[in-house]
Amino acid sequence: QVPLQESGPGLVKPSETLSLTCIVSGGSITGYYWSWIRQPAGKGLEWIGRIYSTGSTNYNPSLRSRVTMSVDTSKNQFSLTLTSVSAADTAVYYCARMGGNWLDSWGQGTLVTVSS
Amino acid sequence: EIVMTQSPATLSVSPGERVTLSCRASQSFTNSLAWYQMKPGQAPRLLIYGASTRATGIPARFSGSGSGTEFTLTISSLQSEDFAVYYCQQYNNWLPITFGQGTRLEIK
Repeated sequence: QVPLQESGPGLVKPSETLSLTCIVSGGSITGYYWSWIRQPAGKGLEWIGRIYSTGSTNYNPSLRSRVTMSVDTSKNQFSLTLTSVSAADTAVYYCARMGGNWLDSWGQGTLVTVSS
Repeated sequence: EIVMTQSPATLSVSPGERVTLSCRASQSFTNSLAWYQMKPGQAPRLLIYGASTRATGIPARFSGSGSGTEFTLTISSLQSEDFAVYYCQQYNNWLPITFGQGTRLEIK
């Protein structure tokens, strides 16, 4: 396993943009796919999308119009932006490394609340 | 997208018992299934991938099986640290990857 740590604002206003970063420590970001997953309180897990270390991306069709992911190999980190957020985007957001198409290392998650 | 359904939602069991968790897929596939353990405040942990391959460091009391639309996770003898929420995840149709709703194991 590789330690992952999410960071970013815990509170975002409706209609604004959510931005999170995942720092990968103890291992290289190169040569892997990296994912974002979220979990609203009391609900199940939703896969947001993935990014390869070269910057190639794939997004969940349900969120594609609002999601952008990027990677910075020099800082060993990758990022998520989600635009036009609403209360429905309130969730714990996780970053994870992909081994195959399963998720073999996860961060502890960060709670993002959308509220004015 | 493939819909994953887990049952039961909650299972009350005693330490030392054997328990089987179920995961059903809306479409058939061979073995593109993973299981995860989640505890509050902790990073989720990969238990099983490929339906039956234990991830690195996972104790042998955890085993996975199944194919088609029916998959199971078995814990042969529950330890206190196993009380958690368990999720299955399919990656046969990986766009998008989808998860079940989870099964909570609680102490009887």
